[in-house]
Amino acid sequence: RKEVEQDPGPFNVPEGATVAFNCTYSNSASQSFFWYRQDCRKEPKLLMSVYSSGNEDGRFTAQLNRASQYISLLIRDSKLSDSATYLCVVNTPRGGATNKLIFGTGTLLAVQP
Amino acid sequence: DTAVSQTPKYLVTQMGNDKSIKCEQNLGHDTMYWYKQDSKKFLKIMFSYNNKELIINETVPNRFSPKSPDKAHLNLHINSLELGDSAVYFCASSQDGSGGEQYFGPGTRLTVT
Repeated sequence: RKEVEQDPGPFNVPEGATVAFNCTYSNSASQSFFWYRQDCRKEPKLLMSVYSSGNEDGRFTAQLNRASQYISLLIRDSKLSDSATYLCVVNTPRGGATNKLIFGTGTLLAVQP
Repeated sequence: DTAVSQTPKYLVTQMGNDKSIKCEQNLGHDTMYWYKQDSKKFLKIMFSYNNKELIINETVPNRFSPKSPDKAHLNLHINSLELGDSAVYFCASSQDGSGGEQYFGPGTRLTVT
């Protein structure tokens, strides 16, 4: 089983649609969680951290369910500029103070005019 | 001002050659990383250095040798390049190695012919 699993998509949605991405992780000791965004031929950039109580940033809402080891990202009122690959990222402890980020393979979103 | 920079951006070379990629960060971070993103877009950590000390060394062929002359620089030298080394290599940095936000460089697209 992969450490972080995502539906690769692509998700093709019209402008204004609401779209949800899901992610599961295998290591129950994982401590922190993120969504990164990667545009075509660019580097990944942090979109938002994911907190246990759920958090929202404008049109973006992230949720975490530790019991199910499940993370989600909801995008409301999709814009053309939201088209990108969304990477689910999990911080996994390795012993001591050293952790490492495990990246999912990403979900491709294409917002259509 | 570029936070994490890499050179070169593109590298085309023949099998068997030796090449280096350089990375510099001006964020004052303690920890730097090398990632490889293959043709399937899977982003996988290779190495991590904290204050010039190697803290993560994943299962990477020993043809790959990282070097950190100071905490702002992390270079990657690759000996005897193989076709399978073709990928995009991303450098990243973070405040420390505890697994918080990572800032990525623009990537180096390596093509081995």
